[in-house]
Amino acid sequence: GAGVSQTPSNKVTEKGKYVELRCDPISGHTALYWYRQSLGQGPEFLIYFQGTGAADDSGLPNDRFFAVRPEGSVSTLKIQRTERGDSAVYLCASSAALAGEQFFGPGTRLTVL
Amino acid sequence: GQSLEQPSEVTAVEGAIVQINCTYQTSGFYGLSWYQQHDGGAPTFLSYNALDGLEETGRFSSFLSRSDSYGYLLLQELQMKDSASYFCAVRGEGRDDKIIFGKGTRLHILP
Repeated sequence: GAGVSQTPSNKVTEKGKYVELRCDPISGHTALYWYRQSLGQGPEFLIYFQGTGAADDSGLPNDRFFAVRPEGSVSTLKIQRTERGDSAVYLCASSAALAGEQFFGPGTRLTVL
Repeated sequence: GQSLEQPSEVTAVEGAIVQINCTYQTSGFYGLSWYQQHDGGAPTFLSYNALDGLEETGRFSSFLSRSDSYGYLLLQELQMKDSASYFCAVRGEGRDDKIIFGKGTRLHILP
């Protein structure tokens, strides 16, 4: 009965480095979303998956950001050449249906120095 | 594209009732959701409206008017623990077939 888990919980990296953020959704949930949240703001849509395919990646800021979900379960958000402006909490959510309740993970706080 | 508007802050007194409004713009419409987020925590689901009308869940109710592209969250018998940020979220259709969130309403509760 585990919920959505995300690792690491905190990541500190230097400008220019590569990072991977992992999301383990609730078992059986076909829809998986990635959001980015800055202090005082709402979750900002990045990308969502329906099964293994990225159904909509229109929220990815630029080509430094990429996400995969190869087996339709765990997803990894990859950020290349990190910039200070990438610092935020990255949230993952999963749901059993596209329009249904989303269950959020605790987030990964990314700090780029 | 999709957009949502909600007040940035609302203040109310413990025990009172407060309404948080949300207007949205989207291509097609699947439903409007509400989430609560305490400081340092993850958003948690409160309610979902796909059809016009009022949905009640305990002290929280949510209303939707599709013709007005408008909804609200009603919180009754406010408790100090209700101090949090509240987000409306909408899913559209076609090009807007994804869930996006508003910027959130910070609810301050006074004793």
